[in-house]
Amino acid sequence: SQQGEEDPQALSIQEGENATMNCSYKTSINNLQWYRQNSGRGLVHLILIRSNEREKHSGRLRVTLDTSKKSSSLLITASRAADTASYFCATAPTQGGSEKLVFGKGTKLTVNP
Amino acid sequence: DGGITQSPKYLFRKEGQNVTLSCEQNLNHDAMYWYRQDPGQGLRLIYYSQIVNDFQKGDIAEGYSVSREKKESFPLTVTSAQKNPTAFYLCASRATGFGGYTFGSGTRLTVV
Repeated sequence: SQQGEEDPQALSIQEGENATMNCSYKTSINNLQWYRQNSGRGLVHLILIRSNEREKHSGRLRVTLDTSKKSSSLLITASRAADTASYFCATAPTQGGSEKLVFGKGTKLTVNP
Repeated sequence: DGGITQSPKYLFRKEGQNVTLSCEQNLNHDAMYWYRQDPGQGLRLIYYSQIVNDFQKGDIAEGYSVSREKKESFPLTVTSAQKNPTAFYLCASRATGFGGYTFGSGTRLTVV
């Protein structure tokens, strides 16, 4: 069952610009995570935000979480060509086992040099 | 270096054959997972295991089987009952108490 839905499906920007990706989900969660996937590779964990947190930073990444709207956003500042990848949000549902992450379909980000 | 290793990277299967995908981790993680990724579909959970000798079905377990005889290993068998096995398979592990997964680099299975 797909819980998270990323928006947009694809995003193309110029190097140096900021990239914002959004994720909406349906049920209550313990935490929400963002992952990056380079083409044909495994996923890499970027950041985890717990349900009682509203904002979290890691380097050039900023994640927000609004549990009332069941939505999250990932902001990548000052993007680089190396940020080109697909980005997935994943939720740990409160019900049905928070040890199982449910992934969205991803946003494909292209950063043009 | 600690990590999670999937092999082989590419696998070709004839229709009617069973194949086994390997997943090994040296991170001392208790939980391990298998996901399937199809274009435009995101990741879907096949099976997961939170402890040795125990595993649970995910959302799309039909046509797949797993075992967890050792903490380090969680092989996935794609049986002939899986009607559409061509996909990218990802194995992941997670330490107890930490929510983030560590993923392997994946196995791309193609039915020929």
